[in-house]
Amino acid sequence: DQQVKQNSPSLSVQEGRISILNCDYTNSMFDYFLWYKKYPAEGPTFLISISSIKDKNEDGRFTVFLNKSAKHLSLHIVPSQPGDSAVYFCAASPNDYKLSFGAGTTVTVRA
Amino acid sequence: DADVTQTPRNRITKTGKRIMLECSQTKGHDRMYWYRQDPGLGLRLIYYSFDVKDINKGEISDGYSVSRQAQAKFSLSLESAIPNQTALYFCATSDRTGTASGTYEQYFGPGTRLTVT
Repeated sequence: DQQVKQNSPSLSVQEGRISILNCDYTNSMFDYFLWYKKYPAEGPTFLISISSIKDKNEDGRFTVFLNKSAKHLSLHIVPSQPGDSAVYFCAASPNDYKLSFGAGTTVTVRA
Repeated sequence: DADVTQTPRNRITKTGKRIMLECSQTKGHDRMYWYRQDPGLGLRLIYYSFDVKDINKGEISDGYSVSRQAQAKFSLSLESAIPNQTALYFCATSDRTGTASGTYEQYFGPGTRLTVT
């Protein structure tokens, strides 16, 4: 049973607009949340994270929002760029080593 | 040079064959992991190791075994490969000291695409 769910398998957005990726989780013990980005033929690379004591974390064009009561997090990319076209994985952990991943969302940024 | 390397990058094998996937890292991390990725399922943890003498089963360890030959090397074996082990396999590392600062980040290798016919 997947504890981390990304219900949108794909997202298409115009260059310069905002991309919003969503992630839901079921395990209330999850304490730390991460987003990874993956290009074809490469391994996932870390993008941004947030701990459960915060509700927002920002790094340049990337912002992650956490709503613990709803067990929901989202990643905002503003503005979207062609190089952002990739698969984005949401991951969550109750400790410092066991990551549970969502199925991924493929983002396509249109010129 | 890449910090986490995996060999081979692609492998086709037949049902019943034994196969080993290898992972090496130059990051100096003590923790290493093996994941598999299947379409629609994301990455799932197979095994993880905190040091050379510590091996732990993950979510889906049946049909797999691992060996931590050194701090920098962690190999995954399929003793008798079956078609539903066809997947993309990733090795990852993390630093225990990073957890003190709250960074749970894991660093991934480029993956091995395994096909079992």
